[in-house]
Amino acid sequence: SQTIHQWPATLVQPVGSPLSLECTVEGTSNPNLYWYRQAAGRGLQLLFYSVGIGQISSEVPQNLSASRPQDRQFILSSKKLLLSDSGFYLCAWSSRQGLSAGELFFGEGSRLTVL
Amino acid sequence: AQSVTQLDSHVSVSEGTPVLLRCNYSSSYSPSLFWYVQHPNKGLQLLLKYTSAATLVKGINGFEAEFKKSETSFHLTKPSAHMSDAAEYFCVVSEKSGGYNKLIFGAGTRLAVHP
Repeated sequence: SQTIHQWPATLVQPVGSPLSLECTVEGTSNPNLYWYRQAAGRGLQLLFYSVGIGQISSEVPQNLSASRPQDRQFILSSKKLLLSDSGFYLCAWSSRQGLSAGELFFGEGSRLTVL
Repeated sequence: AQSVTQLDSHVSVSEGTPVLLRCNYSSSYSPSLFWYVQHPNKGLQLLLKYTSAATLVKGINGFEAEFKKSETSFHLTKPSAHMSDAAEYFCVVSEKSGGYNKLIFGAGTRLAVHP
């Protein structure tokens, strides 16, 4: 069966510090990968998606970047955090075909607080 | 472009009474529609999905949703609420964009269940 792991679960960082959130998927190959952000009391905003190694698309301009160094690894980074980067970050994957195509499978999330 | 509107940001029901969470969508073609549930500080879990088969879709935990093309609606219902149903619910429409399925999330409906 497929699983998705996301870490760290919680993170408190000062303004201007770097960020690295990591996500890995097991039990599937060649998945589409996604990073979403959920601000307090708001819906989900798609930040990045990837259809393959080294292929990253950004949905919104921002202070963050993403990388996919391996097929099942997706990393969200920042060189200098802003207060507005605080939120709940969710990694997700989807299959490209079959009955579950289009369905997203989410990690447990990483709560980032920037002080 | 597709969009999703969840008509209520908060819904409050008593345990044992019916639940109705409303969702309207706009789409230029036959959409795939999903309902996801998110418990506090957790990732999202798929409740059910519609992919052009039966218009009445049954999901997990006793939830179901009916696709009504004439009304462009996909409301989520449950005959009898349980305390454990308290969570945030997201209605989602899927559209193909490039090489992947782009999911458009509604703003969410927070369901409170009172004893």
